Amino acid sequence: AQSVTQLDSQVPVFEEAPVELRCNYSSSVSVYLFWYVQYPNQGLQLLLKYLSGSTLVKGINGFEAEFNKSQTSFHLRKPSVHISDTAEYFCAVSRTGGYNKLIFGAGTRLAVHP
Amino acid sequence: GAVVSQHPSWVICKSGTSVKIECRSLDFQATTMFWYRQFPKQSLMLMATSNEGSKATYEQGVEKDKFLINHASLTLSTLTVTSAHPEDSSFYICSAYPTGNTEAFFGQGTRLTVV
Repeated sequence: AQSVTQLDSQVPVFEEAPVELRCNYSSSVSVYLFWYVQYPNQGLQLLLKYLSGSTLVKGINGFEAEFNKSQTSFHLRKPSVHISDTAEYFCAVSRTGGYNKLIFGAGTRLAVHP
Repeated sequence: GAVVSQHPSWVICKSGTSVKIECRSLDFQATTMFWYRQFPKQSLMLMATSNEGSKATYEQGVEKDKFLINHASLTLSTLTVTSAHPEDSSFYICSAYPTGNTEAFFGQGTRLTVV
């Protein structure tokens, strides 16, 4: 079985400051890792994903994440946030291979203040 | 990117009635779709895996007789909440993978309120 822990339920940050949202996972099998963003009353949008290869993954909207196998982490970073980045962010894991269910972390609320 | 559409986006129903939520893959075929439930300010919890032409696979603790799933075609899965009660009020989201894709695409969600 897989599990995901997002260490921060809320992260307040000022506009143009850097931010890191933390994610740790647990799995006995190989996994893919994902970060999704959710705006109020909407579905989820994929920010980035790690499947294999380079451990530094770049996504949309200036976000990036680094896969660390030894620490079983997949932290999300952005060097300079905007007000529009205010949203809920979910880290998720699935087994490798095709069309597997996603296991989500509890989510981190990023609040960007002017 | 691929598009998954849910209908309705929101629905209010009376306690004891049934509500059907549709999940469609608009530009791809999906043999497997997933149904999630999200309570306010909480994460998404997988309810069931919907398989085209066969029975859905429900997660532990999910009442299959209450949450009926039908995946009658390669582009449509439906979730029917039967005899709804206020505690069934939630945000329901579906997802699907286009063939050969490692990314799941999500519908916009359905807000169900049972009064």
